[in-house]
Formats: sequence, C-alpha cells, structure tokens
Amino acid sequence: QVQLVESGGGVVQPGRSLRLSCAASGFTFSTYAMHWVRQAPGKGLEWVAVISYDGSINVYVDSVKGRFTISRDNSKNTLYLQMNSLRPEDTALYYCARGTDYGTSSAWYSDYWGQGTLVTVSS
Amino acid sequence: DIQLTQSPSFLSASVGDRVTITCRASQGISSFLAWYQQKPGKAPKLLIYAASTLQNGVPSRFSGSGSGTDFTLTISSLQPEDFATYCCQQLNSYPLTFGGGTKVEIK
Repeated sequence: QVQLVESGGGVVQPGRSLRLSCAASGFTFSTYAMHWVRQAPGKGLEWVAVISYDGSINVYVDSVKGRFTISRDNSKNTLYLQMNSLRPEDTALYYCARGTDYGTSSAWYSDYWGQGTLVTVSS
Repeated sequence: DIQLTQSPSFLSASVGDRVTITCRASQGISSFLAWYQQKPGKAPKLLIYAASTLQNGVPSRFSGSGSGTDFTLTISSLQPEDFATYCCQQLNSYPLTFGGGTKVEIK
C-alpha cells in the first residue's frame, strides 16, 4: 500500500534552516510528481511546492520562493524540502503528497498524503 | 493567484441530511478542482478530482459538480463518519490554492 512518511521537523530559530524528508513506499516513486502542503496550527491548507516525476519541473508558492527548495532522490524513493531563512509564519505541519494526473498529463491531484511533520519557528 | 471562496464555513447537520457545500473561484478554472475531507489530527483525504470524478474507495453518497467558477460538493445522506472539514483546491494554475474549508458538525 502507498505510504508516505515525513520527518525532519522540529523547533528552529528564525533565520535558521531545516530539511524535511518524505520517504515513499508502495508505489513506483520515480513515476509520480510530489507536493509539499502545509497547515498552520488551526488554519487551512496551503500548497507550498511541487516537483515533477523526474525533477525537471519545480514550482513554488511566492511566499517561499528563494528560501525553500524542493528536490527528490528517485534512487532512494525520497522527497525533500530544504527550508532556509525560516520565519515564524512558516510554522506549520508539513505534509508531502503524491501527485497523480490520472493519465491526463494536466493537473497533479494529491491522492495520497503522509501524516505530516511539525515545523515550529520561534526564538 | 486564484482565490477559492467556500460557503458556508460552518454547517450543522443531522445524520441522514443532504448537505451541499459550494466553492467559488475568482476566475475560471475549467474542471481542475478537487475536494478533500480532513478529520482532526489526520491528513486530508481526496474525495473528488476533476470536479466530479469520485476517487477510488470513496462512498457514492459523495458527489461533485460544476465547472468554470462555481462548484459544489454534495453528501446525499450524511453519515456519522462524515463529520469533518471539507476543502476545495484548484489545480488550473500555479500557485495551487485551497478554499478556507467548511466544517460539518453534528446538530
């Protein structure tokens, strides 16, 4: 069965860095796009970034552009999110999600999600 | 960025009720819309994609409709396990955006 397990969250001071990982299993990781989505405490969902199956396409929400980098290692079935220059407003539960286009080659819907890893940015 | 406005933001209903949640996009998004269900402390679960296609394993009491700017999620007969927060997402253009959510509670 499809499993996504995030790790790497924690408490970090503003301006510092953190790298999140998402270990995938139960499917052919190298053939799917992957998303990061976050949810601040008590708030709604916010899409953060997506990477294509081969890493050739990366797209970010404006609020993290230049600070966050999404990447993947298909040999390790792992997705990453490098987060630099962290701000208090980055505090959230970060989910990774598999992106599926259902054969349409158009939109990558998030059909499976991990349980999330909590990032807290605070001095 | 495309804004998604959900209504209502809160809904109180009884088991067996028919429930309708709407999601309005600030510009046309064709049918590139998904609906998710989220329970407290859990990850979101995909219910509907492409505005009206039921994800595998999702009960048939859930249905989605709409295209362009106006979309609806309908639960034909609310079950106890359906009390949760429902959220729409547009995938027409980046950045992908979510609606603010509709919390469905027991009356």
